[in-house]
Amino acid sequence: GDSVTQTEGPVTLSEGTSLTVNCSYETKQYPTLFWYVQYPGEGPQLLFKVPKANEKGSNRGFEATYNKEATSFHLQKASVQESDSAVYYCALGDYQGGRALIFGTGTTVSVSP
Amino acid sequence: EAAVTQSPRNKVTVTGGNVTLSCRQTNSHNYMYWYRQDTGHGLRLIHYSYGAGNLQIGDVPDGYKATRTTQEDFFLLLELASPSQTSLYFCASSDETGGYYAEQFFGPGTRLTVL
Repeated sequence: GDSVTQTEGPVTLSEGTSLTVNCSYETKQYPTLFWYVQYPGEGPQLLFKVPKANEKGSNRGFEATYNKEATSFHLQKASVQESDSAVYYCALGDYQGGRALIFGTGTTVSVSP
Repeated sequence: EAAVTQSPRNKVTVTGGNVTLSCRQTNSHNYMYWYRQDTGHGLRLIHYSYGAGNLQIGDVPDGYKATRTTQEDFFLLLELASPSQTSLYFCASSDETGGYYAEQFFGPGTRLTVL
């Protein structure tokens, strides 16, 4: 079945450093890929989504490229801030009838000032 | 912007107790979902629905029932709660545009503790 695997956390960084959260997926279909972010005490919210292979999504300085050949969708940010401390979820949505999104296990990112 | 609310925000019950978690969305979305969130497992789908009276089974349905009474309201029922159901529960909704891979809007969560 479909699955999503992402970097195990926690990831601890200092402000101004770069962030990469790896995400790999398995599916036989043609998925839309998502990154969600969850701040403390809140529900997850969409960071961005990319419906097509070889395209890039971005928001709030974060970006990820949908790499169909490598089945990857790694999240990157060049310079993190303390406010980026959150849990990041990679997710997959595909055409398999009746399915909702499939989420990875989440990666906790902590940024210290 | 979609508004998804959940009640209660916190609930403590005992083993064998009955619990109902409530979710309401006010953006006229057709699809609604219940997830549980646990460390090391991320978000796991319990049940979902694509309209009033409809119910679909998710990935971890054992011990849970759900009912969608209206387009706005989706309930999760634990009729014989067990400690393994201690978790943070999220409700989400999405509209029919884009089908099941449309953006999902999440509520703030309900923390359930089963003693």
